[in-house]
Amino acid sequence: KAGVTQTPRYLIKTRGQQVTLSCSPISGHRSVSWYQQTPGQGLQFLFEYFSETQRNKGNFPGRFSGRQFSNSRSEMNVSTLELGDSALYLCASSLAQGARYQETQYFGPGTRLLVL
Amino acid sequence: DAKTTQPNSMESNEEEPVHLPCNHSTISGTDYIHWYRQLPSQGPEYVIHGLTSNVNNRMASLAIAEDRKSSTLILHRATLRDAAVYYCILTTGTASKLTFGTGTRLQVTL
Repeated sequence: KAGVTQTPRYLIKTRGQQVTLSCSPISGHRSVSWYQQTPGQGLQFLFEYFSETQRNKGNFPGRFSGRQFSNSRSEMNVSTLELGDSALYLCASSLAQGARYQETQYFGPGTRLLVL
Repeated sequence: DAKTTQPNSMESNEEEPVHLPCNHSTISGTDYIHWYRQLPSQGPEYVIHGLTSNVNNRMASLAIAEDRKSSTLILHRATLRDAAVYYCILTTGTASKLTFGTGTRLQVTL
């Protein structure tokens, strides 16, 4: 079974631009979560989507948004990019069946975004 | 969310066992203990999880204290490929919103 894939793997943008990152979950997985990883803040949860609906949200400004499609693929968008948005953006998927507190998350390799 | 405390770094020799500790004194009765690791230039990878009893899988063992206020991830024979940052995470309510701490950076040397 193919793992979680993320595109693009690397991206360079300038301040003020917007960016869209894509995530394809493992086949059959219904939940997709997004995380931001920076050297200063570590790994931080952005949001989770399940059945095309945002189910959980982290503490990020409204410039960060996402969506999920009917095939469970997900995109996240960052508008009006700031220098501090430079980070590794990770996507994780899970089956979303049964007890949610013991589900295993499967992470993709991430998209490294550099904002100049 | 309940907090976990881990040492910043640990070292091990290859082929020797490694015990990675995690303190979680404020754990609640329904919190699961999850361990993930992040190898260099990769996304985090699931290692193991448990609730009360010790758990084993092909990657590692998880030893949970009787009072559940601490746990230990055991790598039975460390290899160079086990060099990574290991995260101990408590899941409260949902495991799809993982709260990562700073983790333990494990160095494995020949």
